[in-house]
Amino acid sequence: AQSVTQLDSQVPVFEEAPVELRCNYSSSVSVYLFWYVQYPNQGLQLLLKYLSGSTLVKSINGFEAEFNKSQTSFHLRKPSVHISDTAEYFCAVSESDGNNRKLIWGLGTSLAVNP
Amino acid sequence: EAGVTQFPSHSVIEKGQTVTLRCDPISGHDNLYWYRRVMGKEIKFLLHFVKESKQDESGMPNNRFLAERTGGTYSTLKVQPAELEDSGVYFCASSRASNYGYTFGSGTRLTVV
Repeated sequence: AQSVTQLDSQVPVFEEAPVELRCNYSSSVSVYLFWYVQYPNQGLQLLLKYLSGSTLVKSINGFEAEFNKSQTSFHLRKPSVHISDTAEYFCAVSESDGNNRKLIWGLGTSLAVNP
Repeated sequence: EAGVTQFPSHSVIEKGQTVTLRCDPISGHDNLYWYRRVMGKEIKFLLHFVKESKQDESGMPNNRFLAERTGGTYSTLKVQPAELEDSGVYFCASSRASNYGYTFGSGTRLTVV
């Protein structure tokens, strides 16, 4: 069985500061990894994903995450956050083999960017 | 292309009543998923349709929940009778068969009082 742990439920930061949202997973099989974001009053949006290849993946709005197999982690980072990054961030995994694509989710991390 | 649409966006019902949630996936997306987030807990998988067939319904909580996808287009999720613990946000997502791009709807917030 798979599980996902997001170690921080809330992360307050000041605008233009760097941020790291932590995600660790547990799985006995190979996985795909995802970060989703939910802005206030909106649905879930895919932020970035790791399927294969380069372990460092990047989003169009400056976030990046690195897949670390030995530490079973997929932490999300941004060097300088904006007020508009205030949202809830979810880490998720799914099996990479077979046809089972259901996502296993972490509890989410609420990022609050303050001026 | 139009996104995944869910109705209603909010629903407040009394315990024992019936509620039906609807999801319209992106046209051409054979895969349709339902997820639920109960307050304070993680988002959990409910079930997965491939066209009109249930591929995996291992996450359905109990037999008060019934999901259908007639004709392989939109899907409904009916809760009958609703209980207090059914309160939460129900998300629907769709994807193409060989594409890993899940697209989520905005969710339906269900409150059972």
